[in-house]
Amino acid sequence: DQQVKQNSPSLSVQEGRISILNCDYTNSMFDYFLWYKKYPAEGPTFLISISSIKDKNEDGRFTVFLNKSAKHLSLHIVPSQPGDSAVYFCAASGEAGNNRKLIWGLGTSLAVNP
Amino acid sequence: DAGVIQSPRHEVTEMGQEVTLRCKPISGHDYLFWYRQTMMRGLELLIYFNNNVPIDDSGMPEDRFSAKMPNASFSTLKIQPSEPRDSAVYFCASSQASVYGELFFGEGSRLTVL
Repeated sequence: DQQVKQNSPSLSVQEGRISILNCDYTNSMFDYFLWYKKYPAEGPTFLISISSIKDKNEDGRFTVFLNKSAKHLSLHIVPSQPGDSAVYFCAASGEAGNNRKLIWGLGTSLAVNP
Repeated sequence: DAGVIQSPRHEVTEMGQEVTLRCKPISGHDYLFWYRQTMMRGLELLIYFNNNVPIDDSGMPEDRFSAKMPNASFSTLKIQPSEPRDSAVYFCASSQASVYGELFFGEGSRLTVL
């Protein structure tokens, strides 16, 4: 049973346009959310995070939006660049007891076309 | 600074053989994680350590899997005996206690069990 779902396995976007990657979760106890990026033959790298006390967090071209009532978060990349082509993973956690266990989505493969 | 170092990068073995995967975390990191990635199940946490002590091993699939962290700079994940269904990419990651959720991953060890 997937508690974190990324329903789009792939996404294709033109360079310079906005990329929107979506993530849904089912566990209302989750209170911290992260996005990771992964290139082939490499490990995932941390991109951006958001706590449930916020509804938006921005870092340069990357913005994460959280809608707690809908149990939905999204990652916006503006403008998209060819180097952004990678697999993006959404992950979630509940910090109760300082639990360090992250629950991961299956990923969305983003292709940014020149 | 060196990142998380994993070895071997690729391992091909026959069913029934023992497999040992190795990890050197980033110096100064308090947490070490072992993940397994498959197409069907995505990234799954197998076990994690805090200050060399195993905290949560609920993701270890069965007794054939074991993990140790004898000191702050080294960890092993052992599979004995290996089975074809163990074929996957195994990632090691480390993190600091002060930064929740931001994991630094190694490049992974791709295991193929024939």
